[in-house]
Amino acid sequence: NAGVTQTPKFQVLKTGQSMTLQCAQDMNHEYMSWYRQDPGMGLRLIHYSVGAGITDQGEVPNGYNVSRSTTEDFPLRLLSAAPSQTSVYFCASSYMSAYEQYFGPGTRLTVT
Amino acid sequence: AQRVTQPEKLLSVFKGAPVELKCNYSYSGSPELFWYVQYSRQRLQLLLRHISRESIKGFTADLNKGETSFHLKKPFAQEEDSAMYYCALRTLGGSQGNLIFGKGTKLSVKP
Repeated sequence: NAGVTQTPKFQVLKTGQSMTLQCAQDMNHEYMSWYRQDPGMGLRLIHYSVGAGITDQGEVPNGYNVSRSTTEDFPLRLLSAAPSQTSVYFCASSYMSAYEQYFGPGTRLTVT
Repeated sequence: AQRVTQPEKLLSVFKGAPVELKCNYSYSGSPELFWYVQYSRQRLQLLLRHISRESIKGFTADLNKGETSFHLKKPFAQEEDSAMYYCALRTLGGSQGNLIFGKGTKLSVKP
């Protein structure tokens, strides 16, 4: 099992550009989520999904879109990148929301 | 409001000394508390959860509902314990069990 994988590992964007952060898991987990990690702020939930076709907003959803067409994949889209979105992004999954969450290795995004 | 507070950004101890990482939470319902750890260049991973009442890598944590705390303790710190530690709260109900993380405490164990 690869667990939770994320691509790319690093990305630099210019303000206004769009991109998609990829997240995939091979554990047949129903629950998936995206967090951003900022210095001194801990991890903050962006969006989450409790199953294919079902997504919802977390604490800091503005500027991000998600979709869940399959159980395995949960991409995060930045519509128009802003410097405030410079962060490390983590994807996580779990069997159900009540179970242990498994984290991906993270994507370090810089917006200039 | 639901909140997790870790008052120390950095905690530095010597090898063999006891260590306590503090965590306080604010939640009106029945909480479920976790400690996650992130070692250098590794993924964030679950260390322990209060309902398991386990000791993992010598760490323990007891949920104190009266003081709304879930402090992480280890009697004798090791250098390999150096890492970033996050306390997390899982709320029940409408949020369907999403985790709320504290800001984290960086533990540095000196030789």
